[in-house]
Amino acid sequence: GAVVSQHPSRVICKSGTSVKIECRSLDFQATTMFWYRQFPKQSLMLMATSNEGSKATYEQGVEKDKFLINHASLTLSTLTVTSAHPEDSSFYICSAPNHRSGANVLTFGAGSRLTVL
Amino acid sequence: GENVEQHPSTLSVQEGDSAVIKCTYSDSASNYFPWYKQELGKGPQLIIDIRSNVGEKKDQRIAVTLNKTAKHFSLHITETQPEDSAVYFCAAGTGGGADGLTFGKGTHLIIQP
Repeated sequence: GAVVSQHPSRVICKSGTSVKIECRSLDFQATTMFWYRQFPKQSLMLMATSNEGSKATYEQGVEKDKFLINHASLTLSTLTVTSAHPEDSSFYICSAPNHRSGANVLTFGAGSRLTVL
Repeated sequence: GENVEQHPSTLSVQEGDSAVIKCTYSDSASNYFPWYKQELGKGPQLIIDIRSNVGEKKDQRIAVTLNKTAKHFSLHITETQPEDSAVYFCAAGTGGGADGLTFGKGTHLIIQP
């Protein structure tokens, strides 16, 4: 089946540094990928839609200068949390739609736990 | 936009019993309804989905029902096992696929031995 690889699974950084999270579709191409943020015991909050070869589409309230998204190829999207602060600590998850039975189905990455000290 | 309500937030059942999680949605244009299982520290995994042209779908111990008129859909797990313990999310979307999915707030299912 379709696999989405997300790396790193855990990252700890100091306040003020930047952190990059990668999301790769391993056996299918993804012109679109989705980035979510999840707080403890909460649902998935869509942050942005990553579009291959064009700018990402951000949800209302999400700072695009804070959360930089790059979709450089059909299998790779990256999320960079710039100048991270403790309030950015969260679980970040990516997903990509893949074709199955003639329609798109979302496959999620395993998530990245970011802790900002 | 779409609004998805999910109940209950926590569900505890005895091993072997059945579990039912219910979701309602607001946008009558939604036509794709997946269910995801998320284990602690992992990403969500699709366990079953249903499209608006179908009323029920089964996969071994898991089934999903959809009532388009009432705009609600439910996940049914029979003969629950300890490994069923997880957080389950429902979602609703349009376009027949994954784009623009709105997620419910999740149900923490606890299987008591």
